[in-house]
Amino acid sequence: KNEVEQSPQNLTAQEGEFITINCSYSVGISALHWLQQHPGGGIVSLFMLSSGKKKHGRLIATINIQEKHSSLHITASHPRDSAVYICAVRTSGSRLTFGEGTQLTVNP
Amino acid sequence: ETGVTQSPTHLIKTRGQQVTLRCSSQSGHNTVSWYQQALGQGPQFIFQYYREEENGRGNFPPRFSGLQFPNYSSELNVNALELDDSALYLCASSSGLAGVRVRGTQYFGPGTRLLVL
Repeated sequence: KNEVEQSPQNLTAQEGEFITINCSYSVGISALHWLQQHPGGGIVSLFMLSSGKKKHGRLIATINIQEKHSSLHITASHPRDSAVYICAVRTSGSRLTFGEGTQLTVNP
Repeated sequence: ETGVTQSPTHLIKTRGQQVTLRCSSQSGHNTVSWYQQALGQGPQFIFQYYREEENGRGNFPPRFSGLQFPNYSSELNVNALELDDSALYLCASSSGLAGVRVRGTQYFGPGTRLLVL
């Protein structure tokens, strides 16, 4: 069993839909990251969370430390949101352990 | 743009060869982490360098080695390449102190895509 599990693996939505991607982890962490990876491979950091909730534009990330669970929400999704979304947890030092990623496709 | 650059962007090698990948970290960052991302999978931690010293290593064999220079740029070297080494190699820079929680996020470079034939 992976230390970081994401669901769903693949997600297809229509433009405008509300999207939720989930991440569960089984280890103690100091922080959780949500990352976005486009087809070219470059990774952009969206959020770093250690508790509560953060919002940036149409993106919202929440974390429940007791339940070891985080969610990434996208409101009013748009085709340009199509990408792989990766959950990563920081364990010892600054080492990141990554989930397998969720491939999101938003159709116009 | 994260300010983290990697070179080369793409590389093709044959089995048994050696490769060096390079990463320039964001200004002010003293920590560089390297990750391997196989096709369709999440990145896997290779190792991390803090102020020119290795500061943690993942489950990779010794033929994966690295260096960090005084300007905090870094190299990843892979000897005796194997077919399974074909992957996207990502570096990420951050600021922090060895053994202490890293402050701030990690900024990723665009990656080097390595193909081993």
